[in-house]
Amino acid sequence: QQQVKQSPQSLIVQKGGISIINCAYENTAFDYFPWYQQFPGKGPALLIAIRPDVSEKKEGRFTISFNKSAKQFSLHIMDSQPGDSATYFCAASTHSGGYQKVTFGIGTKLQVIP
Amino acid sequence: NAGVTQTPKFQVLKTGQSMTLQCAQDMNHNSMYWYRQDPGMGLRLIYYSASEGTTDKGEVPNGYNVSRLNKREFSLRLESAAPSQTSVYFCASSEITDTQYFGPGTRLTVL
Repeated sequence: QQQVKQSPQSLIVQKGGISIINCAYENTAFDYFPWYQQFPGKGPALLIAIRPDVSEKKEGRFTISFNKSAKQFSLHIMDSQPGDSATYFCAASTHSGGYQKVTFGIGTKLQVIP
Repeated sequence: NAGVTQTPKFQVLKTGQSMTLQCAQDMNHNSMYWYRQDPGMGLRLIYYSASEGTTDKGEVPNGYNVSRLNKREFSLRLESAAPSQTSVYFCASSEITDTQYFGPGTRLTVL
């Protein structure tokens, strides 16, 4: 059962364009929604995160939009650059039994072409 | 700070062999995790340790065992490796309400 559905699985964007990755979740107990960026051969690293009491969070060229009623959230990368080419994972987490239980989407492989 | 370190980086095993993946963190985090990453499957939790001295099963624990050696170290053991365990394994650590920090991964092939 995929609790966090992510799309698209792959994305090609021209340099300077906007990259958009969408995620949807089912469990209303989730209370933290991070996005991770992973370069080939490396571990995932936190890019940006949002809590459900906020509808939008922006950090530089990266913006999360969050729609609590629709149980959807998305990552927008403005002015996409070749250096943004990586795999992006959305995630949703909740705290259970003293630890942070994180459910990841399947990932989106982004390629930004010059 | 090195963050989260994992050894080895690469490993090839034959079916039935055993091995232990090592993980250490220097951020004084209480919680540690082992994930596996497979194409089209995202990251799936194998085992976690909420605090020193405790371990619990995650989503895909079959065929694996773990040991939380101390607050810094959390190891993953494959007792009898199978081709289905070919994957990239990531260790992560966090505080309870904080971001998970991942290591660089171990790429394991089981022949």
